[in-house]
Amino acid sequence: DIQMTQSPSSLSASVGDRVTITCRASQSISTYLHWYQQKPGKAPNLLIYAASRLQTGVPSRFSGSGSGTDFTLTITNLQPEDFATYYCQQSYSAPRTFGAGTKVEIK
Amino acid sequence: EVQLVESGGGLVQPGGSLRLSCAASGFTFDDCAMHWVRQAPGKGLEWVSGISWNSGSIAYADSVEGRFTISRDDAKSSLFLQMDSLRPEDTALFYCIKDNRGSLAARGAFDIWGQGTMVIVSS
Repeated sequence: DIQMTQSPSSLSASVGDRVTITCRASQSISTYLHWYQQKPGKAPNLLIYAASRLQTGVPSRFSGSGSGTDFTLTITNLQPEDFATYYCQQSYSAPRTFGAGTKVEIK
Repeated sequence: EVQLVESGGGLVQPGGSLRLSCAASGFTFDDCAMHWVRQAPGKGLEWVSGISWNSGSIAYADSVEGRFTISRDDAKSSLFLQMDSLRPEDTALFYCIKDNRGSLAARGAFDIWGQGTMVIVSS
């Protein structure tokens, strides 16, 4: 199975900050990497697919980059509604594994 | 409105069975691969199973292989998960998910999620 390692596991940030979350795959997954946001009590929501493609309706302050084994989710100008948990996920092969999540908290 | 609505969760004893259902609307169901993902209380996300648009390709997580069976009824725009030999570690919120591609081999992303149905396995 492909292991997905996210870092950090949590972070504290302020409104207006730039936040970067990284995700590393245990083997190359090309750009078959997706990012999801989950708020408490809600289902996850797709933010970025195929490493860098912004899902329709997602604000442009979210961006993704990377290929192979190393990927990054960046949130610029952090907004109050962005405080949530973020997960990366690979779809290169089954099982479609997720990272353990990064909780973004208010500083 | 694109929507997925799960049902069928509940409390079941270890060794028991449950059948989850997911009713889809607002999109062409039979064009899409579909999946189940679960989330244990306070934990992260675990992919459980996926099925291609024509049921020609099916995959399972090792943790459920041989105990769970995914299926779909395109005429009813519905996805199912038959869960047998349930264990306490299967306790989780189960999400029905639409893939943004039709086949599992296309390696798509999970673009629409239901709100989930809770499964509790306990004596």
